[in-house]
Amino acid sequence: QKEVEQNSGPLSVPEGAIASLNCTYSDRGSQSFFWYRQYSGKSPELIMSIYSNGDKEDGRFTAQLNKASQYVSLLIRDSQPSDSATYLCAPMNTGFQKLVFGTGTRLLVSP
Amino acid sequence: NAGVTQTPKFQVLKTGQSMTLQCAQDMNHNSMYWYRQDPGMGLRLIYYSASEGTTDKGEVPNGYNVSRLNKREFSLRLESAAPSQTSVYFCASSAAYGPTGANVLTFGAGSRLTVL
Repeated sequence: QKEVEQNSGPLSVPEGAIASLNCTYSDRGSQSFFWYRQYSGKSPELIMSIYSNGDKEDGRFTAQLNKASQYVSLLIRDSQPSDSATYLCAPMNTGFQKLVFGTGTRLLVSP
Repeated sequence: NAGVTQTPKFQVLKTGQSMTLQCAQDMNHNSMYWYRQDPGMGLRLIYYSASEGTTDKGEVPNGYNVSRLNKREFSLRLESAAPSQTSVYFCASSAAYGPTGANVLTFGAGSRLTVL
């Protein structure tokens, strides 16, 4: 079992729709969770972090965390073509105190 | 506004050659990291330096060495390059190390290495 599982996609959504990106993790000790966005040929950049169960909203982005289910998700409302990128889920592995990245979900938003 | 600077951006090596990837950050960050990214494998940690003067192995350290030269600089050396080391390498830094909100990574632009 991989430490972090993400559907590789591509996830295709029309412009204006809600994109839902999911991530499961195996380390029950993970306490901090990060979502990074990576455009093709570019480096990852942080878009969201979440530390507590529940929802955290930042503009069009909402991160959702359920530690009991070992599940974290990212919702993108009113998706734009500029949101087309790969989204990397990264739980903080408290056992080794370093980030473990998922392989990412590729999102395509069509005009 | 440089952030994290990596050099070179592209490099082609022959099997057995050596090279060093350089990384420097100007954000006064304590922690620095080297990742490699391969298709279908995601980002994998090679080595990290939690603070100046310390380095530790990550998930895939074999075939690599690192040096934390000072607080700003963290280099990655391939002593005898192999085709399996063909990858995109990212250097990153963070203000702090560990499960805190300060452990947000800022990445460099990446270095694409091809080993023939």
